Amino acid sequence: EVQLVESGGGLVQPGTSLRLSCAASGFIFSSYSMNWVRQAPGKGLEWVSYISSSSSTIYYADSVKGRLTISRDNAKNSLYLQMNNLRAEDTAVYYCAREEVYGDYDWFDPWGQGTLVTVSS
Amino acid sequence: DIQMTQSPSSLSASVGDRVTITCRASQSISGYLNWYQQKPGKAPKLLIYPASSLQSGVPSRFSGSGSGTDFTLTISSLQPEDFATYYCQQNYIAPRTFGQGTKLEIK
Repeated sequence: EVQLVESGGGLVQPGTSLRLSCAASGFIFSSYSMNWVRQAPGKGLEWVSYISSSSSTIYYADSVKGRLTISRDNAKNSLYLQMNNLRAEDTAVYYCAREEVYGDYDWFDPWGQGTLVTVSS
Repeated sequence: DIQMTQSPSSLSASVGDRVTITCRASQSISGYLNWYQQKPGKAPKLLIYPASSLQSGVPSRFSGSGSGTDFTLTISSLQPEDFATYYCQQNYIAPRTFGQGTKLEIK
């Protein structure tokens, strides 16, 4: 079964750091690009970051550029999101999602169950 | 960035109703459009990609259409398990932006 399991969320103070992890199983992790998507409480989905299968290409949303860093360890089948200088507006459930590609088209499937990050003093 | 606008933002309907949700892109995205379903407290689930292909396991009462800037998600006969929030997402260009969501509620 293809599965993504996030961990590492919690309650942190503004200005501090947190590292999220996403453990992948049931597929060849090293063959897929991966994404982080977040959802603030009661709000919609916001794409956060993308990393290609070999880590050669990385993208960030403008809202997180310079503070969040995506990485992966293909040997450990794991995706990471290092979050620095956290702000209240970073409060959200963070999902990791596998990117499926067919020709020029791509979509996110599956998604992990999410991990909640709360930034508050 | 490409802006995705869904309408309506919320919708009340009854079991058995035919429902249509619209997604409009701020520029042409050809057929590069996906649809997701999210139930409360759960992760989003892929329904349709790109624009009209049904994900494996998704009931055939769901269908997608459109091209360019205007797209629709149709549920032909609402079932109790379909009450959820639906999001469109463009995959034409980075960043992969989502619509604001359409919450489908029971009337």
